[in-house]
Parts: sequence; structure tokens; C-alpha cells
Amino acid sequence: GQNIDQPTEMTATEGAIVQINCTYQTSGFNGLFWYQQHAGEAPTFLSYNVLDGLEEKGRFSSFLSRSKGYSYLLLKELQMKDSASYLCAVMDSNYQLIWGAGTKLIIKP
Amino acid sequence: TAGITQAPTSQILAAGRSMTLRCTQDMRHNAMYWYRQDLGLGLRLIHYSNTAGTTGKGEVPDGYSVSRANTDDFPLTLASAVPSQTSVYFCASSDSEGGRYGYTFGSGTRLTVV
Repeated sequence: GQNIDQPTEMTATEGAIVQINCTYQTSGFNGLFWYQQHAGEAPTFLSYNVLDGLEEKGRFSSFLSRSKGYSYLLLKELQMKDSASYLCAVMDSNYQLIWGAGTKLIIKP
Repeated sequence: TAGITQAPTSQILAAGRSMTLRCTQDMRHNAMYWYRQDLGLGLRLIHYSNTAGTTGKGEVPDGYSVSRANTDDFPLTLASAVPSQTSVYFCASSDSEGGRYGYTFGSGTRLTVV
């Protein structure tokens, strides 16, 4: 079956760095996405990786290793507004997105 | 502001009643999707449409139906609601079948079936 695993919850301190991991097993691979979802709101697109390596976008970076079925989202200089759930999703061979359950990130002052 | 509009924002529905959740986008995206999101679970695909006039079943289609008469609208109908359909429903769209540039989501409909 298809499976996306990510930690349920993480806690970090304002100003620090946090890495959220995602491992996947899917039928084919056509890219990996990270989304941010604040409580009670819709998910918003953060990043897309289809080739191995690191993609940097401001304070957020996303890494992909296709051979290991592994990705991480790195958040630097954490701000209180970064408190949210972070969703990992993989596009399979049928171009359908398979979603992880999300990682709730709690930022403490 | 361009995007996806969902209605209603929230609804309490008696079991056995029918209801249509509305979704309209103004981005001229070809592909549209309906998801449900439940606590502790990932987003689960209910139905999708790759282009106007076509629809397909997702992971959890039972009890739901959709139509795609035109590019902009993608309504989701519950024919006879059951309590297990209590959830938050999100409509999404993408500008290609692969969604390489990410999905755009509506603000969601919170449905409670009692």
C-alpha cells in the first residue's frame, strides 16, 4: 500500500531551527509537496521537489532523496506565526496526491 | 481576489438528508478535487475531475457524488448523510493534471451530521 509517515507533533523555540521529516512508500513518484495549514484554515503550498537535493525558499528549505524515500522541511529563524501543521504529500504514478497526516508544530517563546 | 470559493462555511445536517457542497474557482484550472480531513488522518480524496465533463473516484467515494458541467464549478453531493460523514471538506484545484505548481484550496466546509 501507499504510505506517508511524518511525526505527529513537534515543539521548537522562537528563533531556532526545526526539521520536519517525511518518509514515503508510494506507487511511483512524480514529486513531493509540503503544505502549511494553520488551525481552522486551508492548506497553502510551500514547496515542490521532484529531483534530489535541497530547494531553498527564504526561511524554508525542502530536501528530497528519492532513493531513500525521504524528505525534510527545514524552518529557520522560527517565528510564532510558524505554529501550524505541516503536510507532506507525494504525487504517485497516477498523478494523485497521497497525503501524510501532518506534523503539528508548536513554537514556544 | 482569484481563488476558490466554497459554500457553506459550516452546516449541521440531520442524518438521512441530502446536501450539496458548492465549489467555484475563477483561475480556469483544469483539475479539481474534493477532500475530507479528519483529526489524525491525512487529507483523503473523495472525487476528482481532470477536466470539465469528466470525473473520477478517489480513495473514499462512497456516499458522495460529483459533477463537472463546466470548468469553474465542482459541486459535491451527499445523497443521504450519515454521522461518519462529519468532517471538514476542502475543494482544491490545479492548473495541470500533475499539479506541479501546487494545489489551491478553498477555505473549507465544516459539516456535522447528527
